[in-house]
Amino acid sequence: QVQLQQSGPGLVTPSQTLSLTCAISGDSVSSNSAAWNWIRQSPSRGLEWLGRTYYRSKWYNDYAVSVKSRITINPDTSKNQFSLQLNSVTPEDTAIYYCARGTAEFDYWGQGTLVTVSS
Amino acid sequence: QPVLTQPTSLSASPGASARFTCTLRSGINVDIYRIYWYQQKPGSLPRYLLRYKSDSDKQQGSGVPSRFSGSKDASTNAGLLLISGLQSEDEADYYCAIWYSSTWVFGGGTKLTVL
Repeated sequence: QVQLQQSGPGLVTPSQTLSLTCAISGDSVSSNSAAWNWIRQSPSRGLEWLGRTYYRSKWYNDYAVSVKSRITINPDTSKNQFSLQLNSVTPEDTAIYYCARGTAEFDYWGQGTLVTVSS
Repeated sequence: QPVLTQPTSLSASPGASARFTCTLRSGINVDIYRIYWYQQKPGSLPRYLLRYKSDSDKQQGSGVPSRFSGSKDASTNAGLLLISGLQSEDEADYYCAIWYSSTWVFGGGTKLTVL
């Protein structure tokens, strides 16, 4: 059974960097068939896919245009996890952040982390 | 105009059927896309229900009852989620999604009320 366990702060100061980690059990971040995604949800923006990392003989990343200049998603093979960094956050980045497994459908989700951007 | 448009709300009675629409923006042909559907109950994670492209290219999510099904309406350029035999437990938000221009795009969601 795949499980995704998120960790990271729930409060970030405007202009700073939002950092979250998603630890994987029951699968591998280096899987040749999975992709590892970050998705957020807010009342104003609904569900918004942010990006993904995946391994197909080498590492790839895809990012949403809306955050492409501010986002980094990195795998950590030593800990079997992946991370999200979102730079220069504003209150508009306040949302529940989810990690999720999925190349196509998102079949496993982390528990969600409410991140509030506020001073 | 958003890539995917869903009605904000839908109401139906227990035992009846519900039809959710996910309309693709003009110029984006529904025929070539797999439409993915998710259910989210209050306070819960989104749950993958199914995907539908055609009758020969469809997939039911693990443990999802057969009363949930997908379809398309080419005349309105929309993907459809159909739920038959509505139950009170089906009350939730329903989201569609497609992989479009190297990005996952979600619709705004439809809130189903079973009353």
